[in-house]
Amino acid sequence: QVQLVESGGGVVQPGRSLRLSCAASGFTFSSYGMHWVRQAPGKGLEWVAFISDDGINKYYADSVKGRFTISRDNSKNTLNLQMDSLRAEDTAVYYCAKDLYSRGWYGFDYWGQGTLVTVSS
Amino acid sequence: QSALTQPASVSGSPGQSITISCTGTSSDVGSYNLVSWYQRHQGKAPKLMIYEGSKRPSGVSNRFSGSKSGNTASLTISGLQAEDEADYYCCSYAGSSTLAFGGGTKLTVL
Repeated sequence: QVQLVESGGGVVQPGRSLRLSCAASGFTFSSYGMHWVRQAPGKGLEWVAFISDDGINKYYADSVKGRFTISRDNSKNTLNLQMDSLRAEDTAVYYCAKDLYSRGWYGFDYWGQGTLVTVSS
Repeated sequence: QSALTQPASVSGSPGQSITISCTGTSSDVGSYNLVSWYQRHQGKAPKLMIYEGSKRPSGVSNRFSGSKSGNTASLTISGLQAEDEADYYCCSYAGSSTLAFGGGTKLTVL
């Protein structure tokens, strides 16, 4: 069965960096686009970033562009999110999610359980 | 990227039908047939209920259906059941390789 397991969350000071990872199993990881989605406390879901199946195409929400970098290692079935220059408003549970297709924007058919990132001094 | 607009809450009695709206603009919902809907029970990961506006993934009850008119997408749940009580989110491709979510709707089964 498909499993997505996030790790790397924690408490970090404003301006510092954090790297999240998502270990994927149960499907051909290299055939699907992957996303990061977050949910701040008491707020709704917010799309953060997308990477295509081959890792070539990467796209970001305006709120994180220039600060976050999405990447993947298809040999290790791992998705990553490097988060730099963190702000208090980045505090959220971060989810990795599998796209229905390789390069599309069609929907997320599997989600991880999330990892909490708290940005606070 | 602007969030899509959903009602904060809707409610219905068992057996009834309810509809949750998701209003965007001509730049997102109105321009693409790429709206998806998610059900989220407290403490659990979201579950895909509808994709590409009206398609149901395997295993999702046919009581759930999606549609679109202009800049507004809708999720209809017929034959409401207690287990349908959850938060529901819409999501749409918003152009320029971005996605936008709605703010979420809390469904209460009376």
